[in-house]
Amino acid sequence: QVQLVQSGPEVKNPGSSVKVSCKTSGGTFKNFAINWVRQAPGQGLEWMGGILPLFGIADYAQNFQGRVTITADEFASTAYMELSSLRSEDTAVYYCASGSEPAARLNWFGPWGQGTLVTVSS
Amino acid sequence: EILLTQSPGTLSLSPGERATLSCRASQSVANNYIAWYQQKPGQAPRLLIYGASSRATGVPDRFSGSASGTDFALTISSLEPEDFAVYYCQQYGSSPITFGQGTRLDIK
Repeated sequence: QVQLVQSGPEVKNPGSSVKVSCKTSGGTFKNFAINWVRQAPGQGLEWMGGILPLFGIADYAQNFQGRVTITADEFASTAYMELSSLRSEDTAVYYCASGSEPAARLNWFGPWGQGTLVTVSS
Repeated sequence: EILLTQSPGTLSLSPGERATLSCRASQSVANNYIAWYQQKPGQAPRLLIYGASSRATGVPDRFSGSASGTDFALTISSLEPEDFAVYYCQQYGSSPITFGQGTRLDIK
């Protein structure tokens, strides 16, 4: 069974960057898309983007274009999400989630990581 | 971008009752690629339904999904105490992937 384990909570200053990791186990890393979803306090789910390691090309939501970079390290079975130019509105729980069909760039999300709280505050 | 509108925002029901949650898409969703998730406080979302009507592994059969054009529904046939949570629909038929704003299912 695929499991996703994310890095720990972060506190960042406005204007800085944060990089969150998502290590997978129990599956073939390169074959399944890893997506990033964020949830601001008391709010809903927002897709940020995803990457299918098999092709190494990431898709990004328009809202985050130019500020987010999603990468994948096949050898470490780990995906990363880096968000730059942080502002207070970026305070949220960031989740990684795995697609469930092999080689599908867009897919439903089966396993999810436990979430990483990123707090942006001066 | 496909906008998903969920209704109602909050649904208050009692255990044993039937719940029907709606999700309306702003345009056609390719292949009815709609998923439903359940989220409880402090937890990551949990997949319930994919492909509009296929139950995920381990999901009780009281959960079912349906589709009619751009209207999608999640039905819980008889509510159990553990079903009270927030539910989200998602479309993954085209990029960007989008979510509805959620329906909160409260105990009456």
